[in-house]
Amino acid sequence: AQTVTQSQPEMSVQEAETVTLSCTYDTSESDYYLFWYKQPPSRQMILVIRQEAYKQQNATENRFSVNFQKAAKSFSLKISDSQLGDAAMYFCAYRGGSNYKLTFGKGTLLTVNP
Amino acid sequence: DTAVSQTPKYLVTQMGNDKSIKCEQNLGHDTMYWYKQDSKKFLKIMFSYNNKELIINETVPNRFSPKSPDKAHLNLHINSLELGDSAVYFCASSQETVYNYGYTFGSGTRLTVV
Repeated sequence: AQTVTQSQPEMSVQEAETVTLSCTYDTSESDYYLFWYKQPPSRQMILVIRQEAYKQQNATENRFSVNFQKAAKSFSLKISDSQLGDAAMYFCAYRGGSNYKLTFGKGTLLTVNP
Repeated sequence: DTAVSQTPKYLVTQMGNDKSIKCEQNLGHDTMYWYKQDSKKFLKIMFSYNNKELIINETVPNRFSPKSPDKAHLNLHINSLELGDSAVYFCASSQETVYNYGYTFGSGTRLTVV
C-alpha cells in the first residue's frame, strides 16, 4: 500500500522568509500524481500545487514550488516570501495513476511569525 | 456558485441517533468521495462513487452507508452514532481525465456525538 510521510509535525517561518516542507512517499507504481493541500483554520481544503510523476520539471505556482525527486521518492514544498495568510496545516497527498484514492500524509502545521 | 457544498456544516447529536450529511457538486465531475478527518487531523478515505457506482469502500463500520442518487450528489447516512464517530467529514469530487486535476473538497461537516 502507498504511504505518505511528513516528518515535520510543525514548522515556523518569519514573514517574507522562505520555508520548505518535507514529504516522502512509498510506491511501486511508475505513474502517479502528487499534491500539496492547504487547510487554514477555516478547515477548507485548498489545492496548492500538483506534480505529475512523468514530468521531470518541478511544478511552480506563484510563490509555491516543489522539489520533486522521483528516485528518492521525495516531494517537498517551498514557500517563498511567506505571508501571514500562509499559516495553515499543509498536507502532502499521493494518488496512483490507475487508482482513484488520494492518500494523505499526517500534515505539517505552519506558523508564520510577523 | 459553490463548487462542492455540504450540509450541514455542524451537527451535534446524541449517541444512538441516526443522521445524514448531504453533498452536492456543480462541477460536472464524475467521481465523488467521502473522507473522515479525525481529531489529529488525519484524513482517511471512506467511500468513492464513480457515475453512481461504488468503487472504493474502505474498512468502515457498516453503520455508515453512502448513497449516490446521481453523479452530482453523494450523501452519507450514519446509523447508531457512537462517540468515536465525532470528526470532520469531507465530501470531494474529481473528474477522471488523462490530466488529473486533483480533488475539489467541500468545506466539511463537523460531527459531534455527545
